[in-house]
Amino acid sequence: EVQLVESGGGLVQPGGSLRLSCAASGFTFSSYAMSWVRQAPGKGLEWVSSISGDGYITYYADSVKGRFTISRDNSKNTLYLQMTGLRVDDTAVYYCAKGPSIFFGDYWGQGTLVTFSS
Amino acid sequence: SYVLTQPPSVSEAPGRTARITCGGNNVGDKSVHWYQQKPGQAPVLVIYYDSARPSGIPERFSGSKSGNTATLTINRVEAGDEADYYCQVRDSSSDHWVFGGGTKLTVL
Repeated sequence: EVQLVESGGGLVQPGGSLRLSCAASGFTFSSYAMSWVRQAPGKGLEWVSSISGDGYITYYADSVKGRFTISRDNSKNTLYLQMTGLRVDDTAVYYCAKGPSIFFGDYWGQGTLVTFSS
Repeated sequence: SYVLTQPPSVSEAPGRTARITCGGNNVGDKSVHWYQQKPGQAPVLVIYYDSARPSGIPERFSGSKSGNTATLTINRVEAGDEADYYCQVRDSSSDHWVFGGGTKLTVL
């Protein structure tokens, strides 16, 4: 059974940094592209970033390019999203999603919430 | 950047057929994927590559495309189908995912 468990969300100050993790199990992690998608409170889905199975190909939404870095450790079956220069409009639930393709997701985790302290 | 347009809401009575549209320039040339999201839950893929259905998704769910519009059709709608539905494509000019704004399906 495919399982994706996100962690690392929490309260952060504007300009701060946070690293999200997504622990994967139930499939051969290194064989599949992975992605991050976020959802602001009460809003729709917004794609953030994707990475190929071997980690060599990455894509970023314009809204996060230069601030966020996607990476993966295939020896640990874990996907990461390093977020820096965080802004209030980055407030969202962040979901990780497994490919079958780098261009869409067939399994999604339950998400981790990133919010800001005033 | 590429834009997908969905109606904000669709309502249908139980047992009837609900159709959710997704419009975009030349969407006929793109692969369209559909996700269902129930309140407080993660999205679930219900249709991929326009009309393919993942295992475990009822046959009542189907996808189609015509011209610049893709359609998710849910036959014999049930109360449990109440959810937000999102279409998604790859913007080939940037290799970015693009989501529609989402459609809230209400089962009357």
